[in-house]
Amino acid sequence: LAKTTQPISMDSYEGQEVNITCSHNNIATNDYITWYQQFPSQGPRFIIQGYKTKVTNEVASLFIPADRKSSTLSLPRVSLSDTAVYYCLVEGAGSYQLTFGKGTKLSVIP
Amino acid sequence: KAGVTQTPRYLIKTRGQQVTLSCSPISGHRSVSWYQQTPGQGLQFLFEYFSETQRNKGNFPGRFSGRQFSNSRSEMNVSTLELGDSALYLCASSLGGAVSGANVLTFGAGSRLTVL
Repeated sequence: LAKTTQPISMDSYEGQEVNITCSHNNIATNDYITWYQQFPSQGPRFIIQGYKTKVTNEVASLFIPADRKSSTLSLPRVSLSDTAVYYCLVEGAGSYQLTFGKGTKLSVIP
Repeated sequence: KAGVTQTPRYLIKTRGQQVTLSCSPISGHRSVSWYQQTPGQGLQFLFEYFSETQRNKGNFPGRFSGRQFSNSRSEMNVSTLELGDSALYLCASSLGGAVSGANVLTFGAGSRLTVL
């Protein structure tokens, strides 16, 4: 049973802000929300993690509303090198396996 | 510090053979989890080992197995290979259990298996 739903693909021009939303209606109280980035033929790479409200690091921001049923990864001023697949992962204690969704393929256009 | 190392990076096998893949986690990480990635099915969880014990398992047949050594290095084995086993096999390490929410996974570059 998939725990997350993301858009399959998104296009953006260089320099724009990109927001990718992940729906997780069945999120549990002890679940965290983690985003990973994957380039072709490489393993996913951690971007950001949060539990509630807003988290910001040097590469992205993560917005989580009060009901926690969705989350939005925000990438400021994307460049061509941000072209990748982005995965939203929602898991916590009590799960017996990790369930990655299909991810969102972001294409940055010059 | 060194990242997660997977060997071999590429390998070609024929149907019916078996294969063993190796994963060396980041020093100090006790959890190693394995994933199969294919274009059609995406990234699927195989199993997780923590302190030499399998803690969690995904929905894969018994042909897929693994183990973890006392130094946290892990191996996965696929027996009686089928064409559909062609995939990128990824391992990830983490300090705590992979399936525990707050832990961050560090992935290796993967082992690309082609079954002919």
